[in-house]
Amino acid sequence: DQQVKQNSPSLSVQEGRISILNCDYTNSMFDYFLWYKKYPAEGPTFLISISSIKDKNEDGRFTVFLNKSAKHLSLHIVPSQPGDSAVYFCAAKGGRAGANSKLTFGKGITLSVRP
Amino acid sequence: KAGVTQTPRYLIKTRGQQVTLSCSPISGHRSVSWYQQTPGQGLQFLFEYFSETQRNKGNFPGRFSGRQFSNSRSEMNVSTLELGDSALYLCASSGTGGNYGYTFGSGTRLTVV
Repeated sequence: DQQVKQNSPSLSVQEGRISILNCDYTNSMFDYFLWYKKYPAEGPTFLISISSIKDKNEDGRFTVFLNKSAKHLSLHIVPSQPGDSAVYFCAAKGGRAGANSKLTFGKGITLSVRP
Repeated sequence: KAGVTQTPRYLIKTRGQQVTLSCSPISGHRSVSWYQQTPGQGLQFLFEYFSETQRNKGNFPGRFSGRQFSNSRSEMNVSTLELGDSALYLCASSGTGGNYGYTFGSGTRLTVV
């Protein structure tokens, strides 16, 4: 049962344009959401997170939006740069203890930014 | 401060053998989680340890096991290796603060032949 879904396996955008990466979740107990970036042969690197009490969090070129009613979040990258080309994972967790407290990941989306 | 260290970086094993992977978390972090990454499957949760106790376990067979030592270092063991166990095994450590800033190591690439 995939509780965190990234339905598009890949995305290609032009340098300077906006990249929008989507993520859906099914577990209503999730209350904290994170995005990670991963290059081949490296571990994922934390990008940005958002708590369920917020609907937007911004950090430089990266903004994450959360729509709790739709169980949907998205990562916006503006402007996109060639160095952003990587695999992006959406992750979610709920609470500090119990089965939902582990970090659950989506399958990832490969972003390619064309020069 | 030093990041999460995983050893070895690469490993080639034969079917039926067993393997032990090691993870040293960031100093002060007491939680260590293990994930398996295979093409098209994302990061699959294996287990999480906190203060030497397994706090969560994923849906993997009993061939996959782990432990955590008093210094928070963790090991995972896979017995009776199968070809399908070939994957990148990632370890992440996290602190007890409000920001769930899981930090990952570079992983151990296991190839079973």
